[in-house]
Amino acid sequence: GDSVTQMEGPVTLSEEAFLTINCTYTATGYPSLFWYVQYPGEGLQLLLKATKADDKGSNKGFEATYRKETTSFHLEKGSVQVSDSAVYFCARLSGGYNKLIFGAGTRLAVHP
Amino acid sequence: DAGVIQSPRHEVTEMGQEVTLRCKPISGHDYLFWYRQTMMRGLELLIYFNNNVPIDDSGMPEDRFSAKMPNASFSTLKIQPSEPRDSAVYFCASSNRVRGRGGAGELFFGEGSRLTVL
Repeated sequence: GDSVTQMEGPVTLSEEAFLTINCTYTATGYPSLFWYVQYPGEGLQLLLKATKADDKGSNKGFEATYRKETTSFHLEKGSVQVSDSAVYFCARLSGGYNKLIFGAGTRLAVHP
Repeated sequence: DAGVIQSPRHEVTEMGQEVTLRCKPISGHDYLFWYRQTMMRGLELLIYFNNNVPIDDSGMPEDRFSAKMPNASFSTLKIQPSEPRDSAVYFCASSNRVRGRGGAGELFFGEGSRLTVL
């Protein structure tokens, strides 16, 4: 079935370091892809999305490019801040209009 | 603007008791989702509704779980009887399909209900 695989955490970085969180998806069709973020004690929030191949989603300095050839949607940020510490979830649409399948989540900890 | 509102935020109960979790979606949203989050299994979609009608309940773990949406502004997730393995954070989310303008997959989550079954 449809699934999303993302790198295990935790990822620990110093402030201003470069961030990459890997995400790959099962190649069933060309699904829309998403990154959601969960701050401590809160629900998930949409961070960015891409709806077709070669699209680049971006928000708050984060970017991810929809790569059909590698079935990937890696999340990147050039310079992380302490306030970026959270759990990041990669997700894809599956089947129904709004049915989202999430990856396991990657915890990011940024230290000053 | 009011977001998705869930209650209770925390619930501690004993095995065998009935648990009811409540959700008020964002006004005007026509999709409502219930997810469960655990360390072992991550985020699992339990059930989702469109215009108050259940569309896909394949993620509901067993007959002890039931969900209803009697109107556009209210949904419940009930567990009866509860078991320790049901301990998790339960999230409700809502979404709105805007014809011709996408929006698919753009969910708005509540803050979750943390359930502990002793």
